Amino acid sequence: GAVVSQHPSWVICKSGTSVKIECRSLDFQATTMFWYRQFPKQSLMLMATSNEGSKATYEQGVEKDKFLINHASLTLSTLTVTSAHPEDSSFYICSARDGQGIQETQYFGPGTRLLVL
Amino acid sequence: DAKTTQPPSMDCAEGRAANLPCNHSTISGNEYVYWYRQIHSQGPQYIIHGLKNNETNEMASLIITEDRKSSTLILPHATLRDTAVYYCIVRGTGGFKTIFGAGTRLFVKA
Repeated sequence: GAVVSQHPSWVICKSGTSVKIECRSLDFQATTMFWYRQFPKQSLMLMATSNEGSKATYEQGVEKDKFLINHASLTLSTLTVTSAHPEDSSFYICSARDGQGIQETQYFGPGTRLLVL
Repeated sequence: DAKTTQPPSMDCAEGRAANLPCNHSTISGNEYVYWYRQIHSQGPQYIIHGLKNNETNEMASLIITEDRKSSTLILPHATLRDTAVYYCIVRGTGGFKTIFGAGTRLFVKA
């Protein structure tokens, strides 16, 4: 299947700093990417839908000014956690949509573990 | 998107078939059934998907009932590395969001 990468795989930062996470589709172009986060022993929670060349669509309860999403190319979306606080510590996962119609599938990245001290 | 119901956990002996059920009684005609799994501390892995016909690939088989209200994912010869949380998801195509439920935690035991 298609490959999605994330960078970094883990990051530790101080409270108040900003952290950028990159999501790349390595062997296909993705007009739509998605960002999730996952807390321990919980399921994935969708944060936002990222469309290439346009503004992201955020799920209810997700602060768009805190979680900045940029999808500037067909292979790259970035999530910036601004002014991070300990409660933002989580596992952040992106996915990218490949194919159309019956062949459409979403492929997920390996995740980025964020720890805010 | 239609909601799905899965058992919270299941056990399976190594080498035996693992049959994971999923109910999706409110599925609409243009929605597909997708299965993903998540091994601890990793991103979800795509397994298989289908509309109404049974599907098989190198990882698993997907059996969808004729009325499409339920499906079963079959891992024909489970190994210890198949221990993971398995998610059954129903959604349309065209960029629709993938919403995760609680999934089924499968334990494969030696």
